[in-house]
Amino acid sequence: GEDVEQSLFLSVREGDSSVINCTYTDSSSTYLYWYKQEPGAGLQLLTYIFSNMDMKQDQRLTVLLNKKDKHLSLRIADTQTGDSAIYFCAEKRGFQKLVFGTGTRLLVSP
Amino acid sequence: DSGVTQTPKHLITATGQRVTLRCSPRSGDLSVYWYQQSLDQGLQFLIQYYNGEERAKGNILERFSAQQFPDLHSELNLSSLELGDSALYFCASSVASPGGSGYTFGSGTRLTVV
Repeated sequence: GEDVEQSLFLSVREGDSSVINCTYTDSSSTYLYWYKQEPGAGLQLLTYIFSNMDMKQDQRLTVLLNKKDKHLSLRIADTQTGDSAIYFCAEKRGFQKLVFGTGTRLLVSP
Repeated sequence: DSGVTQTPKHLITATGQRVTLRCSPRSGDLSVYWYQQSLDQGLQFLIQYYNGEERAKGNILERFSAQQFPDLHSELNLSSLELGDSALYFCASSVASPGGSGYTFGSGTRLTVV
Protein backbone atom coordinates (compact mmCIF):
# COMPACT_ATOMS: atom_id res chain seq x y z
CA GLY A 1 0.00 0.00 0.00
CA GLU A 2 0.83 3.70 0.03
CA ASP A 3 0.91 4.15 3.79
CA VAL A 4 3.99 4.21 6.01
CA GLU A 5 2.96 2.16 9.00
CA GLN A 6 3.85 2.40 12.67
CA SER A 7 2.33 0.94 15.79
CA LEU A 8 0.30 3.56 17.63
CA PHE A 9 1.55 3.22 21.15
CA LEU A 10 4.56 2.04 23.18
CA SER A 11 4.97 2.11 26.94
CA VAL A 12 8.30 1.53 28.70
CA ARG A 13 9.86 2.11 32.10
CA GLU A 14 12.56 4.66 32.66
CA GLY A 15 15.99 3.16 32.04
CA ASP A 16 14.75 0.49 29.66
CA SER A 17 15.40 0.48 25.92
CA SER A 18 12.61 1.52 23.55
CA VAL A 19 12.27 0.16 20.05
CA ILE A 20 9.93 1.93 17.64
CA ASN A 21 9.23 0.19 14.36
CA CYS A 22 8.23 1.47 10.94
CA THR A 23 7.35 -0.23 7.66
CA TYR A 24 7.81 1.93 4.61
CA THR A 25 6.70 1.34 1.06
CA ASP A 26 9.17 2.55 -1.55
CA SER A 27 12.19 0.30 -2.04
CA SER A 28 13.95 3.12 -3.90
CA SER A 29 13.69 5.59 -1.01
CA THR A 30 17.09 7.24 -0.58
CA TYR A 31 16.61 8.81 2.84
CA LEU A 32 14.64 7.63 5.84
CA TYR A 33 14.04 9.84 8.85
CA TRP A 34 12.93 9.82 12.44
CA TYR A 35 11.18 12.85 13.89
CA LYS A 36 10.13 13.57 17.48
CA GLN A 37 7.09 15.65 18.43
CA GLU A 38 6.75 16.81 22.02
CA PRO A 39 3.33 17.91 23.29
CA GLY A 40 2.13 21.11 21.67
CA ALA A 41 5.27 21.43 19.55
CA GLY A 42 6.34 20.91 15.97
CA LEU A 43 8.19 17.92 14.59
CA GLN A 44 11.92 17.92 15.25
CA LEU A 45 14.33 15.88 13.14
CA LEU A 46 16.10 13.35 15.37
CA THR A 47 18.17 11.45 12.87
CA TYR A 48 18.19 10.06 9.36
CA ILE A 49 19.75 7.12 7.56
CA PHE A 50 20.83 6.92 3.96
CA SER A 51 19.64 3.90 2.03
CA ASN A 52 23.12 2.42 1.53
CA MET A 53 23.54 2.01 5.30
CA ASP A 54 22.22 -0.76 7.54
CA MET A 55 22.78 0.94 10.85
CA LYS A 56 23.46 4.38 12.25
CA GLN A 57 24.25 5.22 15.85
CA ASP A 58 23.99 8.67 17.38
CA GLN A 59 24.49 8.77 21.16
CA ARG A 60 21.45 6.97 22.67
CA LEU A 61 19.79 6.50 19.30
CA THR A 62 20.35 3.52 16.99
CA VAL A 63 18.63 3.29 13.63
CA LEU A 64 18.41 -0.05 11.86
CA LEU A 65 17.41 -0.38 8.23
CA ASN A 66 16.31 -3.62 6.58
CA LYS A 67 15.83 -2.76 2.92
CA LYS A 68 14.71 -6.24 1.95
CA ASP A 69 11.74 -6.04 4.29
CA LYS A 70 11.39 -2.23 4.02
CA HIS A 71 11.63 -2.04 7.77
CA LEU A 72 13.10 0.77 9.80
CA SER A 73 13.54 0.87 13.57
CA LEU A 74 14.62 3.41 16.15
CA ARG A 75 16.13 2.18 19.38
CA ILE A 76 16.44 4.59 22.29
CA ALA A 77 18.82 3.35 24.98
CA ASP A 78 18.31 4.23 28.65
CA THR A 79 14.94 5.82 27.93
CA GLN A 80 14.14 8.88 30.04
CA THR A 81 10.83 10.54 30.90
CA GLY A 82 11.88 13.39 28.63
CA ASP A 83 11.77 10.95 25.72
CA SER A 84 7.97 10.73 26.06
CA ALA A 85 6.65 12.07 22.76
CA ILE A 86 5.22 11.03 19.41
CA TYR A 87 7.81 9.58 17.03
CA PHE A 88 7.28 9.72 13.27
CA CYS A 89 9.26 7.88 10.64
CA ALA A 90 9.36 9.29 7.12
CA GLU A 91 10.61 8.10 3.76
CA LYS A 92 11.78 10.24 0.89
CA ARG A 93 9.94 9.40 -2.33
CA GLY A 94 11.25 10.94 -5.51
CA PHE A 95 12.87 14.35 -5.64
CA GLN A 96 11.09 16.28 -2.91
CA LYS A 97 8.36 14.30 -1.24
CA LEU A 98 8.61 13.01 2.31
CA VAL A 99 5.85 10.64 3.37
CA PHE A 100 5.27 10.41 7.11
CA GLY A 101 4.14 7.45 9.12
CA THR A 102 1.15 7.43 11.42
CA GLY A 103 3.27 8.19 14.50
CA THR A 104 4.03 6.16 17.63
CA ARG A 105 3.23 7.64 21.01
CA LEU A 106 5.97 6.69 23.47
CA LEU A 107 5.10 6.87 27.15
CA VAL A 108 7.96 6.53 29.64
CA SER A 109 6.97 5.84 33.22
CA PRO A 110 9.24 6.43 36.22
CA ASP B 1 14.04 27.88 17.14
CA SER B 2 13.82 25.80 13.94
CA GLY B 3 14.01 28.82 11.64
CA VAL B 4 10.47 28.25 10.36
CA THR B 5 8.10 30.86 11.79
CA GLN B 6 4.36 30.37 12.00
CA THR B 7 1.83 32.93 13.12
CA PRO B 8 -0.41 33.10 14.97
CA LYS B 9 0.33 30.39 17.52
CA HIS B 10 -3.28 30.11 18.60
CA LEU B 11 -6.50 31.07 16.87
CA ILE B 12 -10.07 30.74 18.11
CA THR B 13 -12.85 31.52 15.69
CA ALA B 14 -16.49 30.74 15.02
CA THR B 15 -17.98 28.36 12.49
CA GLY B 16 -18.45 29.91 9.07
CA GLN B 17 -15.57 32.31 9.47
CA ARG B 18 -12.37 32.63 7.43
CA VAL B 19 -8.81 32.68 8.78
CA THR B 20 -5.32 33.07 7.36
CA LEU B 21 -2.30 31.23 8.71
CA ARG B 22 1.14 32.52 7.88
CA CYS B 23 4.48 30.78 7.47
CA SER B 24 8.00 32.11 6.90
CA PRO B 25 10.35 29.37 5.75
CA ARG B 26 13.89 28.81 6.94
CA SER B 27 16.37 31.07 5.21
CA GLY B 28 17.41 29.59 1.87
CA ASP B 29 14.56 27.07 1.65
CA LEU B 30 12.42 27.37 -1.47
CA SER B 31 9.83 24.70 -0.67
CA VAL B 32 6.96 25.15 1.77
CA TYR B 33 4.63 22.36 2.88
CA TRP B 34 1.39 22.59 4.86
CA TYR B 35 0.11 19.82 7.13
CA GLN B 36 -2.94 19.34 9.31
CA GLN B 37 -2.70 17.33 12.51
CA SER B 38 -5.86 16.29 14.26
CA LEU B 39 -6.27 14.99 17.79
CA ASP B 40 -5.77 11.40 16.71
CA GLN B 41 -2.15 12.42 16.01
CA GLY B 42 -1.89 11.70 12.27
CA LEU B 43 -0.26 14.19 9.90
CA GLN B 44 -2.25 15.00 6.79
CA PHE B 45 -0.34 16.58 3.92
CA LEU B 46 -2.29 19.49 2.46
CA ILE B 47 -0.21 21.26 -0.18
CA GLN B 48 3.33 22.13 -1.28
CA TYR B 49 4.75 25.22 -2.95
CA TYR B 50 8.15 25.54 -4.56
CA ASN B 51 9.54 28.97 -5.38
CA GLY B 52 6.09 30.47 -5.70
CA GLU B 53 4.41 27.69 -7.64
CA GLU B 54 2.11 24.95 -6.46
CA ARG B 55 4.03 21.68 -6.69
CA ALA B 56 1.87 19.02 -5.02
CA LYS B 57 -1.58 18.72 -3.55
CA GLY B 58 -2.73 16.33 -0.86
CA ASN B 59 -5.96 16.02 1.04
CA ILE B 60 -6.81 19.71 0.89
CA LEU B 61 -10.45 20.68 1.02
CA GLU B 62 -11.86 23.06 -1.59
CA ARG B 63 -12.62 25.52 1.24
CA PHE B 64 -8.86 25.74 1.85
CA SER B 65 -6.36 27.51 -0.36
CA ALA B 66 -2.75 28.56 -0.14
CA GLN B 67 -0.16 30.64 -1.89
CA GLN B 68 3.54 31.40 -1.72
CA PHE B 69 4.67 34.96 -2.24
CA PRO B 70 7.80 36.31 -3.99
CA ASP B 71 9.56 36.67 -0.61
CA LEU B 72 8.82 32.93 -0.15
CA HIS B 73 6.51 33.27 2.81
CA SER B 74 3.29 31.31 2.49
CA GLU B 75 -0.27 31.72 3.64
CA LEU B 76 -2.93 29.07 4.17
CA ASN B 77 -6.48 30.36 3.92
CA LEU B 78 -9.29 28.41 5.56
CA SER B 79 -12.85 29.50 4.85
CA SER B 80 -16.39 28.49 5.83
CA LEU B 81 -14.85 26.93 8.90
CA GLU B 82 -16.45 23.91 10.50
CA LEU B 83 -15.96 22.37 13.94
CA GLY B 84 -14.00 19.54 12.33
CA ASP B 85 -11.38 21.97 11.06
CA SER B 86 -10.12 22.39 14.60
CA ALA B 87 -6.55 21.06 14.49
CA LEU B 88 -2.88 21.92 14.58
CA TYR B 89 -1.65 23.29 11.28
CA PHE B 90 2.04 22.94 10.56
CA CYS B 91 4.22 24.50 7.97
CA ALA B 92 7.53 22.93 6.97
CA SER B 93 10.24 24.03 4.59
CA SER B 94 13.10 22.40 2.77
CA VAL B 95 15.77 22.90 0.17
CA ALA B 96 14.96 21.83 -3.38
CA SER B 97 15.72 18.15 -2.78
CA PRO B 98 15.78 17.27 0.90
CA GLY B 99 18.72 15.20 2.01
CA GLY B 100 19.88 14.63 5.55
CA SER B 101 18.13 17.77 6.77
CA GLY B 102 14.71 16.57 5.66
CA TYR B 103 11.91 19.03 6.27
CA THR B 104 12.15 21.68 8.97
CA PHE B 105 8.89 22.24 10.82
CA GLY B 106 7.49 25.31 12.47
CA SER B 107 5.85 25.13 15.88
CA GLY B 108 2.36 25.19 14.40
CA THR B 109 -0.86 27.15 14.66
CA ARG B 110 -3.53 25.68 16.89
CA LEU B 111 -6.93 26.46 15.38
CA THR B 112 -10.04 26.06 17.48
CA VAL B 113 -13.39 26.48 15.77
CA VAL B 114 -16.30 27.04 18.17
